[in-house]
Amino acid sequence: DQQVKQNSPSLSVQEGRISILNCDYTNSMFDYFLWYKKYPAEGPTFLISISSIKDKNEDGRFTVFLNKSAKHLSLHIVPSQPGDSAVYFCAASAGYSGNTPLVFGKGTRLSVIA
Amino acid sequence: DTGVSQDPRHKITKRGQNVTFRCDPISEHNRLYWYRQTLGQGPEFLTYFQNEAQLEKSRLLSDRFSAERPKGSFSTLEIQRTEQGDSAMYLCASSLEGGAGEQFFGPGTRLTVL
Repeated sequence: DQQVKQNSPSLSVQEGRISILNCDYTNSMFDYFLWYKKYPAEGPTFLISISSIKDKNEDGRFTVFLNKSAKHLSLHIVPSQPGDSAVYFCAASAGYSGNTPLVFGKGTRLSVIA
Repeated sequence: DTGVSQDPRHKITKRGQNVTFRCDPISEHNRLYWYRQTLGQGPEFLTYFQNEAQLEKSRLLSDRFSAERPKGSFSTLEIQRTEQGDSAMYLCASSLEGGAGEQFFGPGTRLTVL
């Protein structure tokens, strides 16, 4: 069974608008969450992370929100740029950091239209 | 280039053959991970090392798979008697225990078993 779920396989957004990517998890032991971006023929690239003691983390155009009671997190990209077009993976770990094996969702393909 | 490197980038083999992949992590990183990604899925954890010690193996890692990190630097992943179901992208990642917590991924080795 999928412990990390990304229910939207794809998302299209106009350049300059906000992109919101969602992720749900089922394992209450998860305490650290990460977002990765992946371009074709490349490995995943780390974007941003959040620990379970926080509900928001911001880095430039990227903000991650965590709702522990709902077991839900989201990644906001503002403003969206064409170069943001990629597959985005949500990942979770149970080790209070990303230094333990990660459980990934299936990914959401984001297309930013100029 | 100081990122994670993997060799080869592509491997085509016939069913029943053995294959070996190599991963060179970021030099100061003491943790090294192997993941497998199939089409439409996120990366799935296989195994990981701290220095030369193998800390955990996933149940996905059948007895045909073996991984080593003999000197705590590079790692190899060997698949014996390959099957068509082994066709996938094999990703390596590394991280620094006690560091910021993100894993850095290599570009992957794409295996095709005919």
